[in-house]
Amino acid sequence: TQLLEQSPQFLSIQEGENLTVYCNSSSVFSSLQWYRQEPGEGPVLLVTVVTGGEVKKLKRLTFQFGDARKDSSLHITAAQPGDTGLYLCAGDTGTASKLTFGTGTRLQVTL
Amino acid sequence: EAQVTQNPRYLITVTGKKLTVTCSQNMNHEYMSWYRQDPGLGLRQIYYSMNVEVTDKGDVPEGYKVSRKEKRNFPLILESPSPNQTSLYFCASSLWGGNGYTFGSGTRLTVV
Repeated sequence: TQLLEQSPQFLSIQEGENLTVYCNSSSVFSSLQWYRQEPGEGPVLLVTVVTGGEVKKLKRLTFQFGDARKDSSLHITAAQPGDTGLYLCAGDTGTASKLTFGTGTRLQVTL
Repeated sequence: EAQVTQNPRYLITVTGKKLTVTCSQNMNHEYMSWYRQDPGLGLRQIYYSMNVEVTDKGDVPEGYKVSRKEKRNFPLILESPSPNQTSLYFCASSLWGGNGYTFGSGTRLTVV
């Protein structure tokens, strides 16, 4: 089973700060997906990156897929309390039915 | 509204009493999957299905069964639940997997 390590595990910041979450593996992935999960709910897909070096922006969120397709990062600019949640990366090795999820980063943004 | 519907949301049962958690999607998705989420262990795949009548084991299939008789439905069956199956369960579906999954709202199962 491929392992996806996320760092940091926990992050507590104030509104307006910037942050970066990392997702690393020794395995190569065909695609890397990022999800956000709120308490008591299922994960919600934020973005999928498929090309090495690809950068995608979703408003204040910037996602990057590493050149070797083994790692990814999520950067949030000017965090807001609504960004609070559990951020999960998930890798697909080509058999798209089998996703491996990362360990998760729990983000709390306070006023 | 495009969604994955799981039922029930909460369930408390006793050891050994067979139960089924239902999952239905209205997006005509080919791929469906069941996960369990436990503190410190994250999301782990139980079973998945790439099409009707095609199912396969994920990382933690022991103690679970699934069936995919129709495209929209993918029930999870616990024939003889045990306390170590107490967990938060999620069903998810996708058009082809690599483009991302839509998750249900979860079923919190407690086995006493």
